Amino acid sequence: TQLLEQSPQFLSIQEGENLTVYCNSSSVFSSLQWYRQEPGEGPVLLVTVVTGGEVKKLKRLTFQFGDARKDSSLHITAAQPGDTGLYLCAGYAPSGSARQLTFGSGTQLTVLP
Amino acid sequence: NAGVTQTPKFQVLKTGQSMTLQCAQDMNHNSMYWYRQDPGMGLRLIYYSASEGTTDKGEVPNGYNVSRLNKREFSLRLESAAPSQTSVYFCASSEGWGNYGYTFGSGTRLTVV
Repeated sequence: TQLLEQSPQFLSIQEGENLTVYCNSSSVFSSLQWYRQEPGEGPVLLVTVVTGGEVKKLKRLTFQFGDARKDSSLHITAAQPGDTGLYLCAGYAPSGSARQLTFGSGTQLTVLP
Repeated sequence: NAGVTQTPKFQVLKTGQSMTLQCAQDMNHNSMYWYRQDPGMGLRLIYYSASEGTTDKGEVPNGYNVSRLNKREFSLRLESAAPSQTSVYFCASSEGWGNYGYTFGSGTRLTVV
């Protein structure tokens, strides 16, 4: 079983600050996905990264996939209250018949106005 | 554009009762999944269906059964509910294997007393 560890578990910051969330594993993944989940809703896909070293930007969010494809980071610039939510990383690593996404336990981000 | 629809949104069961959680997607996706989400444990896969007519166990299948009724619908059944099955259940779908993102429903909050 591939495990994904996210850090920090909880993060509370002021509006306008920058932050980075990490997703680490000892396993290699063919791709990494990031989701955001708001209370009472299901996770919503933000981005998929597939190439080691890849960097993708989505407005104020920057996603990076590690060179060895074992880790990823999400950086938010000038956080806003609307960024509040649970951020989940998920790795895809085909393993026999168990071809599925493995989810990390998430980072709960609160951005205070 | 409904995406993935789950019913019911909330349910309270007594220990030993049975129920079926319904899930339907309108995106013509091949693969469907059932996850449970518990505090601090992230999303754990219960069962999945790679394509119509096939189902496979995930990480935590004990106490559950599934039916892929057709390409659109994938139901989850609890035959004899236990307090340990108190959780939020999410259905998801994707185009297929590989680097496809998942589309999640809004979840069913189940309490077993």
